[in-house]
Formats: sequence, C-alpha cells, structure tokens
Amino acid sequence: KQEVTQIPAALSVPEGENLVLNCSFTDSAIYNLQWFRQDPGKGLTSLLLIQSSQREQTSGRLNASLDKSSGRSTLYIAASQPGDSATYLCAVLPGGGYQKVTFGTGTKLQVIP
Amino acid sequence: NAGVTQTPKFQVLKTGQSMTLQCAQDMNHNSMYWYRQDPGMGLRLIYYSASEGTTDKGEVPNGYNVSRLNKREFSLRLESAAPSQTSVYFCASSVSLEGQKYGYTFGSGTRLTVV
Repeated sequence: KQEVTQIPAALSVPEGENLVLNCSFTDSAIYNLQWFRQDPGKGLTSLLLIQSSQREQTSGRLNASLDKSSGRSTLYIAASQPGDSATYLCAVLPGGGYQKVTFGTGTKLQVIP
Repeated sequence: NAGVTQTPKFQVLKTGQSMTLQCAQDMNHNSMYWYRQDPGMGLRLIYYSASEGTTDKGEVPNGYNVSRLNKREFSLRLESAAPSQTSVYFCASSVSLEGQKYGYTFGSGTRLTVV
C-alpha cells in the first residue's frame, strides 16, 4: 500500500524567504505526482503536475522536482509572500492500470509579513 | 469557467434525514470521485467512478451511495445522516490513464453538519 508523508507538518517563515516542502512516498512505481494548495475553508487548487518521465515542473515562483528512485518530491517556493500561506498537499498516482490517488498529510505554511 | 461544480456549499441536516450532494464537471473527464476531509484524517475516498456506468467503493463507503448519472454528473447520497458524517465533502475528476497529463481537479466543497 502506497504511503505518502509530508514533512514538516507545519512551517512558519518570514516573508521573502525561499523554502522547500517535502513529500515522500513508499512505492516508486508511480504514474505522476501532483502538488495542491488548500486555503482554509476552500477546495484544493492544483499547482503542478509532474509525470513519471519528468524530473521537474515550474510555474512562476514554484518549482517541483521528482526523484522516483528515492521516493521523494520537493516543492520549492521562491521569495515567499503572505499570500502563499495555505496547506500544501502532494498526491501520488501509482502506475499499472487504473489506480486511485494517495494524498499526503499536508504541510501548513504560514508566511509572516 | 471550466471545472468541477458542487452543490450545495453548506448544509445542516438532522440525524436520520437524507440528502444528495450534486457534482458536475465540464472538462470531459472520464473519472470522478467523492472524498471527505476531516481534521487530522486528511482526505479519504468514499466512492469513485472510473468511467461512465461504473462505480466502486473507496476507503470509507459505509452510509453513502453514489450515482454516475452521465459522464458529467456524479452524485453522493446520504440515506440516513449520522453525526459521524459531519465533514467537508469534495468532488473531483480526472482524465483516463491515457490522458493523465491533466491530473485531478477538485470542486470547492460542501460543508455538511449533522445535528
């Protein structure tokens, strides 16, 4: 059974810092990995999707990397802003036919002005 | 805007009442899902529909039923609501394996309270 862990569970940083969120998964036979953000009381918004053949994806100040062999993905946020405050979730889709996604436990980020 | 639409956004039920949560997507996705999210429990899959005409149980299906009405719509029904079903419910959709490039898209959620 795939297990997805996100460390740290919570993170507080001053505005302007560069930061890294971590996502670890136990089964490296994945099809893709997706990063989401969730604002309080809201749904999940997709940030980046990395397919298994890719090593990274970038969107604006966000960069996500994928290392299947080590079972890790990182989400890098450059020059953090208070608007980045949210919970960040990674989701892993295993390979091999139709499969259901496994979500990580999330990292709650607070960026202090 | 294209996406996943859920109704209602908020609902309060009395124990034993029934209700249906509606979900519709306009992205021509094959697969649709219902999740519940509870503090400290993360997202848990209730039911999913891999394609039109099929539905399967997820991690926590007890007390729920679903209907995949057509490719666009996937509803979740609570036949006899219980306080343990107080939660935030999310509907999601995704393309089939061949088009997995687009990943998952989530609705904005339904906040349900059962008293």
